[in-house]
Formats: sequence, C-alpha cells, structure tokens
Amino acid sequence: EPEVTQTPSHQVTQMGQEVILRCVPISNHLYFYWYRQILGQKVEFLVSFYNNEISEKSEIFDDQFSVERPDGSNFTLKIRSTKLEDSAMYFCASSVRLGEGTEAFFGQGTRLTVV
Amino acid sequence: AQRVTQPEKLLSVFKGAPVELKCNYSYSGSPELFWYVQYSRQRLQLLLRHISRESIKGFTADLNKGETSFHLKKPFAQEEDSAMYYCALESGTYKYIFGTGTRLKVLA
Repeated sequence: EPEVTQTPSHQVTQMGQEVILRCVPISNHLYFYWYRQILGQKVEFLVSFYNNEISEKSEIFDDQFSVERPDGSNFTLKIRSTKLEDSAMYFCASSVRLGEGTEAFFGQGTRLTVV
Repeated sequence: AQRVTQPEKLLSVFKGAPVELKCNYSYSGSPELFWYVQYSRQRLQLLLRHISRESIKGFTADLNKGETSFHLKKPFAQEEDSAMYYCALESGTYKYIFGTGTRLKVLA
C-alpha cells in the first residue's frame, strides 16, 4: 500500500540553524500538508499546498517557514532560523482531493529537536 | 470559529467494557468528520469517517448535528485498542483541524 514517507526520522539542530524536512507524498495525490505536534499538545496545522502554491497557512507559519515541491515528488518544509520552541514532531500528509470525506494520509513524522 | 474539542485526555477502561470517546465540533457549514488513530510508534491513520457510515474494528461514530458531536463508540474494548485517538474536521479550506486527542488505555 502506498505511504507518505518522511526523512529524517529525527533531526537535532542548533538554535539559529536552518533545517529542511523532507516528505515524499503518495504519487497521485494533489494536496499536501504540514502539521506539527509539540510534545503533549495537539496536532496543529501549519500549511497546505496545491498546484505548486500555498493554499492556506496558519498563524504559526510565519516568515521563517517555507515549503517547496522542488522536483514533482518531494515536498519540503524549511525552517530558516530555528528556535527552541520549534522543537516538535512534524508530520507531512497528502490527499488525492478535498472534501467528500477524503482521507489525508500521514507520514511517520520527523522529530525536530532544537538545542 | 472552526474547532474540535475532545474533553478527555485519558480514558481507561477494562477489557470487554464499552468505550465512548467524546468529540464535539464547531463549524458553520456541513461538516466532514473523521477519527484518526495513532498506535504506539506508528503514524496517524484513518479509523473511520462519518460520510462512510462504516464500522471499523468494531468502532462506530454517529454525527449528531443537533449536539454538534461525533462520539466514537465500541461495545466491547480490546487490549489492542489502546492508542491515541484524534477527532478531526475537514474544514473545506484546505486543512484538517484536529482535536487534542484522547489516550485510550484498555486494561486487562
């Protein structure tokens, strides 16, 4: 069964450094998402991406964040200058369409630790 | 405002007992609701969606628009049901909104 894959599974970075989290969505999916989950808190929406542009973003997704689909298969989340509070589990998801009870498929997540 | 509320952080039941995980939502349109489950060290995966009116692993959920609820139920809990359960709303604006999750522990 096709899966969303994320790399790396765990990333440790120093405060102020840039990180890129990578995702390979399911191949025929058109909508892509990033979510994050700070330890012990809820799964929070960051951004959605469709047709090579951001469809919606949350207040969390400020100027230090960016997303890209560089080559038609990968979907990346870049954090330009990491802060301690960026430490969280980051989940990538994809869906074939919106609405009609469409399921979003999630990757296993990347645990980002900012020290 | 669009919101999903799961009032219980932790629910412990004995094996064979009934389970009800509560979910309430706030949404002005016609909601599309889901239950996702996360077993230990695994990814979030869809358990069921209201539009399908299905029963998965013995779980069912009924959308009650009057009470704005989508509670998840199972008549007889099993140990393998122990997991984190998230109620989610597809908002029709390119995102899914998740509740805070309920950890279900089924005791032997």
